[in-house]
Amino acid sequence: QSVLTQPPSVSAAPGQRVTISCSGSGSNIGSNFVSWYQHLPGTAPKLLIHDNNRRPSGIPDRFSGSKSATSATLGITGLQTGDEADYYCETWDSSLSAVVFGGGTKLTVL
Amino acid sequence: QGQLVESGGGVVQPGRSLRLSCAASGFTFSSYAMHWVRQAPGKGLEWVAVISYDGKNIYYADSVRGRFTISRDNSKNTLYLQMNSLRAEDTAVYHCARRDGAFDIWGQGTTVTVSS
Repeated sequence: QSVLTQPPSVSAAPGQRVTISCSGSGSNIGSNFVSWYQHLPGTAPKLLIHDNNRRPSGIPDRFSGSKSATSATLGITGLQTGDEADYYCETWDSSLSAVVFGGGTKLTVL
Repeated sequence: QGQLVESGGGVVQPGRSLRLSCAASGFTFSSYAMHWVRQAPGKGLEWVAVISYDGKNIYYADSVRGRFTISRDNSKNTLYLQMNSLRAEDTAVYHCARRDGAFDIWGQGTTVTVSS
């Protein structure tokens, strides 16, 4: 079991909006920044969101992040077939002295 | 920009050792903490270890502590992962990654298969 909890899968139609949740605790999400990654197996993961809600240069504003207490959320609007991938939340856990990832969420664009 | 290229993966028997390398280019390697992250077949991303920019601070995941050793050579812009007493559950693609608040640069990964 992962320290951070994500839904195993989400799906939506092209052009629609989807959200992916990430639930943790006070020692991780509650006290540290959250990042989100897009990953296609066999490739290098790609940073989408850092510091809870900041996008690196080159990441479209269709991707957004938010955090409240011990939970974080990734939002994707205007879904495209190219968005089909696995998405992971990540943060530092101060009690474990370790980086922790969510279990990953597979996004299907129907 | 920056680039990371892993090497050293392969097929190894349980109980044996393997050393992975990660060559960095395009950024000041000695200024950043570096991590290893792995993905086992059919599983999610799993953090393995981190080493600070100067090599003085190191942390490991519980699953590898005591068996794996992370190190770096800033003169060669290279990160290492020495893996001893390998187990079947260590089979995975191993990525090195730069951390600048988040994992902003990743390597493509090198595959380690532990099998008899």
